[in-house]
Amino acid sequence: DAGVIQSPRHEVTEMGQEVTLRCKPISGHDYLFWYRQTMMRGLELLIYFNNNVPIDDSGMPEDRFSAKMPNASFSTLKIQPSEPRDSAVYFCASRVGSSYNSPLHFGNGTRLTVT
Amino acid sequence: GENVEQHPSTLSVQEGDSAVIKCTYSDSASNYFPWYKQELGKRPQLIIDIRSNVGEKKDQRIAVTLNKTAKHFSLHITETQPEDSAVYFCAAPYSGAGSYQLTFGKGTKLSVIP
Repeated sequence: DAGVIQSPRHEVTEMGQEVTLRCKPISGHDYLFWYRQTMMRGLELLIYFNNNVPIDDSGMPEDRFSAKMPNASFSTLKIQPSEPRDSAVYFCASRVGSSYNSPLHFGNGTRLTVT
Repeated sequence: GENVEQHPSTLSVQEGDSAVIKCTYSDSASNYFPWYKQELGKRPQLIIDIRSNVGEKKDQRIAVTLNKTAKHFSLHITETQPEDSAVYFCAAPYSGAGSYQLTFGKGTKLSVIP
């Protein structure tokens, strides 16, 4: 199993540009989570999906952020327009079911730098 | 929602000494407490977890203790080694919509000095 796959690993963009982060969850996992990691705020949950349906997006900071999951094997997190304060590492994670026996598996993250 | 506080934010120990990281949580209904280790530039990975029906769990050099009355849990690493150097995150579940999501502490950067 290749694990959770994120792309790109690094993204550098200028303020105002659109940024799209991609995630492929582990096959068979029906929950997908997007987290943002910064020094100041740690790991923050932005949004999560169950069976491709967004369940809780209360962590999405602003309307500039949007996330989609068109099918069970692909999700995107889009920032438009991007701002310097969006600079962070964005992690995608997945798990199967809602049992505590199923741990959360993280991808390698996308380090976003907005200049 | 769940509020998780983690202390200390940084911790330096000599190789061979023990390290202890503590977390408190707010939701008394929480009953699952995982710990994740994140090495520099890598993904967080689960290293140990504890359910509310036990007070302590061990796995070789790491152990986790839970005090439900006081709503706190701790990670203990004994005989620390340089490869234990990493950022450690505690987490607690926040339930909703028939499932749960994890709220993470802000992390503890552990440095093991050879």
